Amino acid sequence: GAVVSQHPSWVICKSGTSVKIECRSLDFQATTMFWYRQFPKQSLMLMATSNEGSKATYEQGVEKDKFLINHASLTLSTLTVTSAHPEDSSFYICSARGLAGASDTQYFGPGTRLTVL
Amino acid sequence: KQEVTQIPAALSVPEGENLVLNCSFTDSAIYNLQWFRQDPGKGLTSLLLIQSSQREQTSGRLNASLDKSSGRSTLYIAASQPGDSATYLCAATGNQFYFGTGTSLTVIP
Repeated sequence: GAVVSQHPSWVICKSGTSVKIECRSLDFQATTMFWYRQFPKQSLMLMATSNEGSKATYEQGVEKDKFLINHASLTLSTLTVTSAHPEDSSFYICSARGLAGASDTQYFGPGTRLTVL
Repeated sequence: KQEVTQIPAALSVPEGENLVLNCSFTDSAIYNLQWFRQDPGKGLTSLLLIQSSQREQTSGRLNASLDKSSGRSTLYIAASQPGDSATYLCAATGNQFYFGTGTSLTVIP
């Protein structure tokens, strides 16, 4: 089946530093990847949608200069949290939709826990 | 914008009970309705996917139903087990996934 990985699975950083999270589709090519964030005891909120080779589309209220998304290849998308602050601490989950996948099919990664001190 | 709500927010039942989790959505123009399980600190595990043309799907002890006209889906878990303890999320899919607020289930041995 389609597998999506994320790296790292958890990261702790100091306030003001930048953190990069990778999302990889391991056995399929993903034309579209999605980034979600999830606060404790809350549901997943879509942050942005990225298409390979083009700029990401951000949801309302998500700062594109703070959350940099790059989808440079069909198997890799990265989310960089710039100048991280404690309020950015959250669980970040990516998902991927394949070349041949239906528009309603997404495969989810295992998530990355970010803690900003 | 699609809004998805799940009731109850939390549920605690003794082992062996049958239970129903509810999911409602405001826009009936969906591609499908998907149920996920999420263990603490983990990602999502897909449980059942009901396409918009279907009314239900079954997998083992799980049965999910979909009523598009009323904007509702239910997840039925038969003979609950402690290992079923997790948060259950439903998602209504259109151009993107719209997740519900989740139901935190605890099955007491």
